[in-house]
Amino acid sequence: QQQVKQSPQSLIVQKGGISIINCAYENTAFDYFPWYQQFPGKGPALLIAIRPDVSEKKEGRFTISFNKSAKQFSLHIMDSQPGDSATYFCAASSYSGAGSYQLTFGKGTKLSVIP
Amino acid sequence: DSGVTQTPKHLITATGQRVTLRCSPRSGDLSVYWYQQSLDQGLQFLIQYYNGEERAKGNILERFSAQQFPDLHSELNLSSLELGDSALYFCASSAETGAAFFGQGTRLTVV
Repeated sequence: QQQVKQSPQSLIVQKGGISIINCAYENTAFDYFPWYQQFPGKGPALLIAIRPDVSEKKEGRFTISFNKSAKQFSLHIMDSQPGDSATYFCAASSYSGAGSYQLTFGKGTKLSVIP
Repeated sequence: DSGVTQTPKHLITATGQRVTLRCSPRSGDLSVYWYQQSLDQGLQFLIQYYNGEERAKGNILERFSAQQFPDLHSELNLSSLELGDSALYFCASSAETGAAFFGQGTRLTVV
């Protein structure tokens, strides 16, 4: 019940194209859904996040779409650039009491944007 | 810069040895999480502390232990090291929003 399923495992997109990464969850207690971007040898960096009372959030070329009834959310990268080539992790967070949150990560998607 | 500091950045040690990884969370964050990431793998959750107390445990080996000190910094102790323990070890801290911020990691190489 604590799992977050992420797909695809890897993705190759042409420069200028749209990259789409999908995640699904089961636990309805999750109330915060962040996406992380990780370059090789670096720590994951918080990219964009959404709460379930919003169906879409956009920050620059990055958009999260959230479907509460289907328990799915996705990351769209518009006008993908070679510099976007990285591993992307979706995550889901639930409050575990006394100010503490529990984070569950998807297994990651390796994105390669080719010129 | 996430505000989470991990030391050392690199560590090379021999099998059977013991090492300590250190993490300083962002100012004001009470939660600290530890993750292990092997080559081209996902993030394996090890353990979470909140304000000095253990809150959640993941796939942490018995040879590994952690603690969070009163000043909120945390240490991950890895003992009886094996070749398979070679990995990137990340610490993250979170505020009371659910968002977690990661350090740059410690690359551990066991030879």
